[in-house]
Amino acid sequence: AQSVTQLDSQVPVFEEAPVELRCNYSSSVSVYLFWYVQYPNQGLQLLLKYLSGSTLVKGINGFEAEFNKSQTSFHLRKPSVHISDTAEYFCAVSGSGGGADGLTFGKGTHLIIQP
Amino acid sequence: DAGVIQSPRHEVTEMGQEVTLRCKPISGHDYLFWYRQTMMRGLELLIYFNNNVPIDDSGMPEDRFSAKMPNASFSTLKIQPSEPRDSAVYFCASRNRRGARGEQFFGPGTRLTVL
Repeated sequence: AQSVTQLDSQVPVFEEAPVELRCNYSSSVSVYLFWYVQYPNQGLQLLLKYLSGSTLVKGINGFEAEFNKSQTSFHLRKPSVHISDTAEYFCAVSGSGGGADGLTFGKGTHLIIQP
Repeated sequence: DAGVIQSPRHEVTEMGQEVTLRCKPISGHDYLFWYRQTMMRGLELLIYFNNNVPIDDSGMPEDRFSAKMPNASFSTLKIQPSEPRDSAVYFCASRNRRGARGEQFFGPGTRLTVL
């Protein structure tokens, strides 16, 4: 079984400031890790994913995340945020076994960009 | 590609009524997932299919919930009878085993309100 903890339910940040959204996971097997973004009244869109290889992964819209196996973390970062980044961000995990497991999501972090 | 299509986008019904949510996955995708999103429980996997066959329905909350996938291009999630606590946003997602491992593509969701 897997679980995901997003430590902050809400993160307010000023425009053009850097931001980090925290994610920790628990799993007894190797995992794939994902960050999804949800804009108001829309579905989820993939920001980035870690499957294997380099622990620093870059995604769309200037976001990046670093996989830290020893700390079981996958924090999302952006060096300079924009008003349009206001959204709900979800960290998710799936098993990396042969099957196509469903995703286990964290509770989400609401990123609020202040002008 | 049109992406994952869900209908209706909004559904308002009265307690005790039957509700049917519909999903058309991306053409060529052989996995289909149903998720439910609520404020209290976040995003939860309800059930998923591989090649139209249900693989894991352990997330289906009660016998009132049922899901079918009669062919590769259509799936339904039915609630009968519906209750106010079923009010949520229901997402359908699909993926292709030959595509990026683990990545799922989400539809826009159906917002269900049970009065």
